[in-house]
Amino acid sequence: DVQMTQSPSSLSVSVGDRVAITCRASRNITNYVNWYQQRPGKAPNLLIFGASNLHSGVPSRFSGRGSGTDFTLTISSLQPLDFATYYCQQSYNTPRTFGQGTKLETK
Amino acid sequence: QVQLQESGPGLVKPSETLSLTCTVSGVSVSSYYWSWIRQTPGMGLEWIGFAHAIGTTELNPSLKSRVTISVDTSNNQFSLKLSSVTAADTAVYYCARDRGTMVRGVYFYEMDVWGQGTTVTVS
Repeated sequence: DVQMTQSPSSLSVSVGDRVAITCRASRNITNYVNWYQQRPGKAPNLLIFGASNLHSGVPSRFSGRGSGTDFTLTISSLQPLDFATYYCQQSYNTPRTFGQGTKLETK
Repeated sequence: QVQLQESGPGLVKPSETLSLTCTVSGVSVSSYYWSWIRQTPGMGLEWIGFAHAIGTTELNPSLKSRVTISVDTSNNQFSLKLSSVTAADTAVYYCARDRGTMVRGVYFYEMDVWGQGTTVTVS
């Protein structure tokens, strides 16, 4: 299985901050990475697919980059609704695997 | 608008079979792959597997011996069966659409629509 390791596991941030979350794959997965946002008690929502493609309806302050084994999700200016947990997920092969999550908390 | 809704018992006894159904609206279930994912505080998000109406399935090897995923085109639903459950199978279970999107000649695969999730307790 491809292991997906996110860092940090939590981050204390403020509204307006630029936030970067990283995800490292245990092997080369080219750009088959998706990013999801999950608010408490809700299902995950797709933000980015194929490492850098913004899903329909997702605000442009979210962006993704990377290839091979290292990937980054960036929020350019954090908004109140963005306090949530973020997960990366590889779709290079099966079983699909997820990172352990990065929780954004209020500083 | 595509919507998914999980249904099934919230409580299952150990050694019995967990059965969940996901009802799809807004799109034909024949047109996509459909996934089940579960989430626990300890294991995080765990992909269980996906299936297509044509009969293709891929299952997580960690659960493969106990899992069946099937697609019911007549009712526009798909289902999950997990046998011989233990307390470790207590989780929130989600269904999701597994979509393929072509970008510049390359197909990517992502879970773009999710159900709200249903909590299943094994006890």
